[in-house]
Amino acid sequence: QSVLTQPPSVSAAPGLRVTISCSGSSPNIGNNFVSWYQQLPGTAPKLLIYENNKRPSGIPDRFSGSKSGTSATLGITGLQTGDEADYYCGTWDSSLRAEVFGTGTKVTVL
Amino acid sequence: EVQLVESGGGLVQPGGSQRLSCAASGFTFSDYAMSWVRQAPGEGLEWVSGISGSSDGTFYADSVKGRFTISRDNSKNTLYLQMNSLRAEDTALYYCAKGAGGGSYSELGYWGQGTLVTVSS
Repeated sequence: QSVLTQPPSVSAAPGLRVTISCSGSSPNIGNNFVSWYQQLPGTAPKLLIYENNKRPSGIPDRFSGSKSGTSATLGITGLQTGDEADYYCGTWDSSLRAEVFGTGTKVTVL
Repeated sequence: EVQLVESGGGLVQPGGSQRLSCAASGFTFSDYAMSWVRQAPGEGLEWVSGISGSSDGTFYADSVKGRFTISRDNSKNTLYLQMNSLRAEDTALYYCAKGAGGGSYSELGYWGQGTLVTVSS
């Protein structure tokens, strides 16, 4: 059972915007950086966002991240069919002394 | 180009052991913490274990503590996961992943393709 909670699914039409929430607590999100990962069907996860809001080279600016208190949010604008994937948040938990992932959110483009 | 190639997966009986390997290339292996992350069929990601670049720090998920041991050989650029007392719930695709520099186990920027471990009689 994950310590980070995400909605099971979100959906929107092409071109629109979706947001995915990641709710945690003080030992994890509250005191550590958050990363976001995209996992396309049948592939390994890919880092989308690190240090709450930074994008690795090659990640389009349609993807954005933010953090407030013990919650984080991933935003995807200009939704494309290629964005259909599972998305996970992740962060270090200072109490568990372990990296923890969110429960995962499936994005569907209508 | 960073490459991570896992091997060692397969079918193992409950209570048995398995050792996974991850061959790394394209970066200075000893400078980076490494992690094992697993994904059970149809399920989400679960971080299993991490090890610092110099092996002076090792961390485990509660679900595997006392049964799994992570190690690395920096002379061979290889990461290992020794899995003992395997259970059906350990069945998963096991990924090795490279963390950000400075001993961080987060920001897993590179992942292997995974190796499947199936625990069944």
